[in-house]
Amino acid sequence: DAGVIQSPRHEVTEMGQEVTLRCKPISGHNSLFWYRQTMMRGLELLIYFNNNVPIDDSGMPEDRFSAKMPNASFSTLKIQPSEPRDSAVYFCASSDRDRDHEQYFGPGTRLTVT
Amino acid sequence: AQKVTQAQTEISVVEKEDVTLDCVYETRDTTYYLFWYKQPPSGELVFLIRRNSFDEQNEISGRYSWNFQKSTSSFNFTITASQVVDSAVYFCALSEVIYNQGGKLIFGQGTELSVKP
Repeated sequence: DAGVIQSPRHEVTEMGQEVTLRCKPISGHNSLFWYRQTMMRGLELLIYFNNNVPIDDSGMPEDRFSAKMPNASFSTLKIQPSEPRDSAVYFCASSDRDRDHEQYFGPGTRLTVT
Repeated sequence: AQKVTQAQTEISVVEKEDVTLDCVYETRDTTYYLFWYKQPPSGELVFLIRRNSFDEQNEISGRYSWNFQKSTSSFNFTITASQVVDSAVYFCALSEVIYNQGGKLIFGQGTELSVKP
């Protein structure tokens, strides 16, 4: 089975532009997580979904960030407008919470906002 | 509040040495999971192990072993006979367990292991 798929792998954009990151979880997994990794803050959870429903979005930095999961096989994380401090690696992970709670991570999207 | 502490920021060893990476956690939950992930220079996060709070048995997988001690809230990771390919950042993580819901991971700051030939 393919692992978690994220696109794009790299994104360079100018401040003020809208950025959309995409994630396809592992087929059959019912939980999806968005994490952000920076040098200053390390790895931190932004939001997670169970059965496509947002459960905990307390890690979303501010209203500029939004996430959706319209179906079990697709999720987006949108930043509008983007700022240089949003530069980071964004990881998507999925798990089967009914089975083993092991979270499998995608390759990440490296975002650079200039 | 939940917290994971990896006090060792960087460790450097010579190939074939044994090395232990420390992890100490804080939680008020009685049921939780502990994890180790590896992040090689390529950047992906690779799952290594999951341990639930009711299972304190140590685990060995090849050159890797894990020592879970609830009495000291520690979940340490040992690599025996280290190899250059073990060079990576290793993260310890804690997950709450909520019935019928996935649990978010609380990560430590990571330990960067450098294995020199």
